[in-house]
Amino acid sequence: GAGVSQSPSNKVTEKGKDVELRCDPISGHTALYWYRQSLGQGLEFLIYFQGNSAPDKSGLPSDRFSAERTGGSVSTLTIQRTQQEDSAVYLCASSSDSSNQPQHFGDGTRLSIL
Amino acid sequence: AQSVSQHNHHVILSEAASLELGCNYSYGGTVNLFWYVQYPGQHLQLLLKYFSGDPLVKGIKGFEAEFIKSKFSFNLRKPSVQWSDTAEYFCAVTRYSSASKIIFGSGTRLSIRP
Repeated sequence: GAGVSQSPSNKVTEKGKDVELRCDPISGHTALYWYRQSLGQGLEFLIYFQGNSAPDKSGLPSDRFSAERTGGSVSTLTIQRTQQEDSAVYLCASSSDSSNQPQHFGDGTRLSIL
Repeated sequence: AQSVSQHNHHVILSEAASLELGCNYSYGGTVNLFWYVQYPGQHLQLLLKYFSGDPLVKGIKGFEAEFIKSKFSFNLRKPSVQWSDTAEYFCAVTRYSSASKIIFGSGTRLSIRP
């Protein structure tokens, strides 16, 4: 079975441009997470979707960041007016239940802002 | 709010040395606990997990972790490390309920000298 799929794997863009990052979770997984991993840093939680509940957006660093999850499956993370400090690996993970099942991670999108 | 602390940011050991990586969490209720590993160039993957029962949990590749409720700790151990254990290790916790997001520690980088 397919794992969590993220696209693109790499994205280079100019400062000030908008970017969209996509995550296809494992089929049937109700929980979906976005994280950011900067060089030498740990995992920074961004946003969490659980079923049809309102997403937990408490980790989004600014209002330039937003995410949506359509039909309880695919999710898109959007960063508007990108800044150099947005450069990082953006990871997506999904799980069948958020509390007692492990997360399955994608390979991430490496975002570089010039 | 829940938090997870990994006090060792970078650990350097020689092959065959014993390993213990610290993990402490702040939540006082019932929790689920995880250790994830990220090998160089690979995505995060589950190493082991604790939900209930025997507080000594055995995972893949000879790793184990002990849940000590009174100390709010879930330290990772391995009696004899190998060069291939070089990776970044993340501790994570969720509250024991549905729709509870997972919180990661900042990670510990383990470097093994051959």
